[in-house]
Amino acid sequence: EIVMTQSPATLSVSPGERVTLSCRASQSVGSNLAWYQQKPGQAPRLLISGASTRATGIPARFSGSGSGTEFTLTISSLQSEDFAVYYCQQYKDWPPMYTFGQGTKLDIK
Amino acid sequence: EAQMVESGGGLVQPGGSLRLSCATSGVSFSSYWMAWVRQAPGKGLEWVATMDIDGRDKFYVESVKGRFTISRDNARNSLYLQVDSLRVEDTAVYYCVREAHASFDYWGQGTLVIVSS
Repeated sequence: EIVMTQSPATLSVSPGERVTLSCRASQSVGSNLAWYQQKPGQAPRLLISGASTRATGIPARFSGSGSGTEFTLTISSLQSEDFAVYYCQQYKDWPPMYTFGQGTKLDIK
Repeated sequence: EAQMVESGGGLVQPGGSLRLSCATSGVSFSSYWMAWVRQAPGKGLEWVATMDIDGRDKFYVESVKGRFTISRDNARNSLYLQVDSLRVEDTAVYYCVREAHASFDYWGQGTLVIVSS
């Protein structure tokens, strides 16, 4: 089983700051890595698929990078609506299996 | 507007069963793999089950194999999850999701399953 590890667990930041979240896979997942944002009481929302492709309607301040085992999600200038929990997720091809990281919570400093 | 609406959750005793449903509209359904993802209260996300386009291939997380069954009705644009032999640790919000490009691009609002005596 591929284990996804996100760091840090919590990050306190101020609006306007640049933020980088990390996600590490226990073995290579190629570019089969997605990022989600979840706000309290809401379903998760897809931000990034294929490690670096923004989903429809996602602002350009969100960007993803990495391949293999090391991935990052960068928010170039944090907006108030970006305070949420962020999850990474990998996809293993055949048999299909999806694994999420434990999440990183962005708090207002 | 794309909508995925789950129903069928509720309070059930350990060992009990439920049938979760997901009705979709405004989103392409029959051409996509579909899945269920759950989230225990205050916890992270866990993929539960996935089904291919015509329902021939089904895949499950190890902890639910033999107890949960995913199915779909492409004529009704609907997804289902039969959950049997429920355990306390199955307590969670269950989300219906569409799979695309190795990720989940559409999510329902979820239905809460509580397993408790």
